[in-house]
Amino acid sequence: QSALTQPPSASGSPGQSVTISCTGTSGDVGGYNYVSWYQQHPGKAPKLMIYEVSKRPSGVPDRFSGSKSGNTASLTVSGLQAEDEADYYCSSYAGSNNYVFGTGTKVTVL
Amino acid sequence: QVQLVQSGSELKKPGASVKVSCKASGYTFTCCAMNWVRQAPGQGLEWMGWINTNTGNPTYAQGFTGRFVFSLDTSVSTAYLQISSLKAEDTAVYYCARRTGYGFDIWGQGTMVTVSS
Repeated sequence: QSALTQPPSASGSPGQSVTISCTGTSGDVGGYNYVSWYQQHPGKAPKLMIYEVSKRPSGVPDRFSGSKSGNTASLTVSGLQAEDEADYYCSSYAGSNNYVFGTGTKVTVL
Repeated sequence: QVQLVQSGSELKKPGASVKVSCKASGYTFTCCAMNWVRQAPGQGLEWMGWINTNTGNPTYAQGFTGRFVFSLDTSVSTAYLQISSLKAEDTAVYYCARRTGYGFDIWGQGTMVTVSS
């Protein structure tokens, strides 16, 4: 199972929006509405930000939103804040009780 | 509160074995699948597989068969990851993560395993 493809980096100024893509195949991202997104600050455990493509867990700000089109999912962070600077990973169900993570994107707040 | 607490850092020599624990609290342990995720230094997240906390049946991702074993002790709400015949390339942080539905919603704090002679 190959890792999902994410851009290595993305950036934006405070208050702006940034969108991160996550490209897979019809066997994972394109085949199921089970894409999730994780935020990871340095030295910390990942945190679930989005599940089932576009649902937000309780406590996650509505500045974070998710979507999917075909084999590509996206995470958008609106109204960027300094604390949003982190690594972001997508994940998808890949069938047969398997999952796969993306390559990760480092978001920098300029 | 709902949490997963992992065992502490380990320093092992090549060829040795290590067993990492992940103790759950604040919820019914058997409700949800327990997953294991590896993160090598400076690298991304890698899904290793999961264990069914009701049946104890494990599923291993490609690349994590043979030397990696998932197990449970439901009496103490704890999941375990054992790695045998350790190699330098096993040096990484290992996370346990609860899966509800199709998202990993609760994560342990991570256990650093260093393999060095």
